[in-house]
Amino acid sequence: DGGITQSPKYLFRKEGQNVTLSCEQNLNHDAMYWYRQDPGQGLRLIYYSQIVNDFQKGDIAEGYSVSREKKESFPLTVTSAQKNPTAFYLCASSISGQDYGYTFGSGTRLTVV
Amino acid sequence: AQKVTQAQTEISVVEKEDVTLDCVYETRDTTYYLFWYKQPPSGELVFLIRRNSFDEQNEISGRYSWNFQKSTSSFNFTITASQVVDSAVYFCALSEVHQAGTALIFGKGTTLSVSS
Repeated sequence: DGGITQSPKYLFRKEGQNVTLSCEQNLNHDAMYWYRQDPGQGLRLIYYSQIVNDFQKGDIAEGYSVSREKKESFPLTVTSAQKNPTAFYLCASSISGQDYGYTFGSGTRLTVV
Repeated sequence: AQKVTQAQTEISVVEKEDVTLDCVYETRDTTYYLFWYKQPPSGELVFLIRRNSFDEQNEISGRYSWNFQKSTSSFNFTITASQVVDSAVYFCALSEVHQAGTALIFGKGTTLSVSS
C-alpha cells in the first residue's frame, strides 16, 4: 500500500545534539513538507520541497535543515541551534499544485532530555 | 498575510448532539482551496474535504456537512448526531501560493470531545 513512513515514532535527544527525522513516501508525489505541531499552536510549516534538489524555508525554518536528494525521501535535521525542539513533527506529501490535499505520515515525537 | 482562525479551542458534547466547528480565513488570492483534516489520538492527520474558492455549494457526506460562505470568509464543518469516534482534533487549512510552490497553512485546531 502506498503511503508515508516516518521514523522513529519517538525520539529522545540530549541538548546540543543534532538529530535526523526520516520521511519516506511511495506515492510518487512531487511535493513534500515538514510541519511542527505544538499544543494549542496548530501546524506550522518548517520546510517544503516541490522537486528533487530544491527546497524552501517555511515560517519556522531556523534551527532546522533538510535535503531532497531523492523524490521519495525528505529527511529533517533538528540542529542544536533549535532552541526549543521538543514537539510533534509531521511529514506530508502531495501532488504538486494548489488544489491537492496532503497525505500525512504518523509523526515523530521528539523530546529533549 | 494568509490566515486561518479556529476560534473554538475545545468543544465538549454528548453523543447524538450536533456540533459545528467554525473556520474563518483571510486571503488576498482570488483562487484558493480550503481543507478540513481530522487528527485522532494516533496523531496522523486524515483528509476530510477540499473546496475551491469558486464552488460555494454546501457538501454533505454522511453525518458530515460543510458550509462555505465566501461573503463571510467562512468554511464551517458540522457533525450531525455525533459519536464517540468523532473525538479528535480538527484542523481547517488554506492553500497558500509561494513563489516556489504552494503550501497549506493551518488553523490552531479545535479539540472535539464526544462523551457517551
